[in-house]
Amino acid sequence: GAVVSQHPSWVICKSGTSVKIECRSLDFQATTMFWYRQFPKQSLMLMATSNEGSKATYEQGVEKDKFLINHASLTLSTLTVTSAHPEDSSFYICSARGRQDYEQYFGPGTRLTVT
Amino acid sequence: DQQVKQNSPSLSVQEGRISILNCDYTNSMFDYFLWYKKYPAEGPTFLISISSIKDKNEDGRFTVFLNKSAKHLSLHIVPSQPGDSAVYFCAARLTDSWGKLQFGAGTQVVVTP
Repeated sequence: GAVVSQHPSWVICKSGTSVKIECRSLDFQATTMFWYRQFPKQSLMLMATSNEGSKATYEQGVEKDKFLINHASLTLSTLTVTSAHPEDSSFYICSARGRQDYEQYFGPGTRLTVT
Repeated sequence: DQQVKQNSPSLSVQEGRISILNCDYTNSMFDYFLWYKKYPAEGPTFLISISSIKDKNEDGRFTVFLNKSAKHLSLHIVPSQPGDSAVYFCAARLTDSWGKLQFGAGTQVVVTP
């Protein structure tokens, strides 16, 4: 149990376009989902916390108009990178909080490359 | 402000021996600590956790020790296996934070034959 999927697993897009990444909890309901990004050889940086049915809470320094997060249901959250630039190229990972509220299960990640 | 620190970026250990990974934290408001294992281009996999009210938790080959007075925790893997080669992240959860985790920088473990 506690499987989280992400789609797509990798995407290449051109500068100025938008990209949507989906995060799904497959076998449990996740009232809270989190979005992280990871640069090479660095730790995971929390971008935002997403609660079902409400607006996401963004960490300091993360542009909410650039990284749009929607948590439409208890099993789906989406991250849209708008007007992507090469510096947005990164590994984006989502996680979902499980039944025990200290547990957090991660998706496999999405590699975004902006050309 | 890095509140969770893993000061050893890498660790090399022989197969069959014990791997000990260390983690220090500065915030006394953390109530849960977790260890994750991560392979390149994959999401982290949950390994083991410990509540701040306990000092030890064991699950198979993995044991986590918490020294609250020293604000220090460690993960012991015994015996180490080649499949354990990965990056290990220590994470800590703040009380009343919707479950937000703060991660350390990670320790790359290499298990040699």
